[in-house]
Amino acid sequence: DAKTTQPNSMESNEEEPVHLPCNHSTISGTDYIHWYRQLPSQGPEYVIHGLTSNVNNRMASLAIAEDRKSSTLILHRATLRDAAVYYCILGVSGSARQLTFGSGTQLTVLP
Amino acid sequence: KAGVTQTPRYLIKTRGQQVTLSCSPISGHRSVSWYQQTPGQGLQFLFEYFSETQRNKGNFPGRFSGRQFSNSRSEMNVSTLELGDSALYLCASSPILAGVPGELFFGEGSRLTVL
Repeated sequence: DAKTTQPNSMESNEEEPVHLPCNHSTISGTDYIHWYRQLPSQGPEYVIHGLTSNVNNRMASLAIAEDRKSSTLILHRATLRDAAVYYCILGVSGSARQLTFGSGTQLTVLP
Repeated sequence: KAGVTQTPRYLIKTRGQQVTLSCSPISGHRSVSWYQQTPGQGLQFLFEYFSETQRNKGNFPGRFSGRQFSNSRSEMNVSTLELGDSALYLCASSPILAGVPGELFFGEGSRLTVL
């Protein structure tokens, strides 16, 4: 299975943008890039996903490198509620429902 | 719209016992998948069910099993419990199976402690 590499932890100040990086050098051509986050004592929550083009939704933006070997999740204005573990995941080709989670990035938002 | 409901939320068992966990997906979602989360191994995929059939299975021993009912509700069972089975068991539902991947909706999990 293709693996992802993320920093163990990052810090951000409240109301500033946050760029969470993810490396996935062994990604296959049909693997989607998914991002989920997990707040304390909750199940993971979907954030965004993409294949090749950059994606935007109400929660975040996903910037995908041209060679698809890395991607960046962008939170435009971090709030205290964004403090969570963020997982970058490659979906098994053809199925989004078998996701291999890595260790994720613990995001701390400072007031 | 009601979310994914998992019961029980917390339970304590002893080694050798068996346990059954329940998951009610979001109405209209036909795919249900299960994950195990532990501090050491992180989130690991157990299995996925769609239309009462197991479609994918992770790398877990046969003590871990599941099923899905005609109303899409799912149960997972762990027999002959071991200390290492202590974990948060998460259920996720999804409205589609094949094609463009969609969003997984997770429940809050069932926290199992094996003594």
